[in-house]
Amino acid sequence: AQSVTQLGSHVSVSEGALVLLRCNYSSSVPPYLFWYVQYPNQGLQLLLKYTSAATLVKGINGFEAEFKKSETSFHLTKPSAHMSDAAEYFCAVSAGGSYIPTFGRGTSLIVHP
Amino acid sequence: DVKVTQSSRYLVKRTGEKVFLECVQDMDHENMFWYRQDPGLGLRLIYFSYDVKMKEKGDIPEGYSVSREKKERFSLILESASTNQTSMYLCASSLEQAAGALHFGNGTRLTVT
Repeated sequence: AQSVTQLGSHVSVSEGALVLLRCNYSSSVPPYLFWYVQYPNQGLQLLLKYTSAATLVKGINGFEAEFKKSETSFHLTKPSAHMSDAAEYFCAVSAGGSYIPTFGRGTSLIVHP
Repeated sequence: DVKVTQSSRYLVKRTGEKVFLECVQDMDHENMFWYRQDPGLGLRLIYFSYDVKMKEKGDIPEGYSVSREKKERFSLILESASTNQTSMYLCASSLEQAAGALHFGNGTRLTVT
């Protein structure tokens, strides 16, 4: 079985501040982990993925995430928030390379000027 | 770039109507998925298909059926629409070996009155 918990349904930051979106996973086998972003009135777009190679994964738009097995976490970070980063972010897990991911409930990122 | 196209952005139907949601992908992907997205609940898998004419139930298949007669097209059918099926519906596709990395359409917002 696989599951994902995203801590915080809303995260608010000021423009230029650090962005940290939290994700913890549960998986009985080695997981593949993903972050997706959804801008208003659009579908989801893959930001980055971890597939058992380097534990620090760099994605698009300056985002990165670190896989920490001991903490079962895959938190998403960006050093400096832009107004254009305001969106809904989803963490997802697929266990053992399964092609069917399980999604978290999402975190809405709000960026203040 | 992979393109996943959903035929309608907005749809309004009456209770009891039969509703068809269409999805087409242009990259010869084996896997196709239908999710529904509701505030606070994230994405929930309705059905998926790993090959033509093959389908598997996801987490919430009740009240829905699907059809995949051609590789590029995956249809979601609401046999008798109900108000609790008012939601955003997202179609996605992926390569067989993509292990959870999905390409999404822009969604269909369905309102059942």
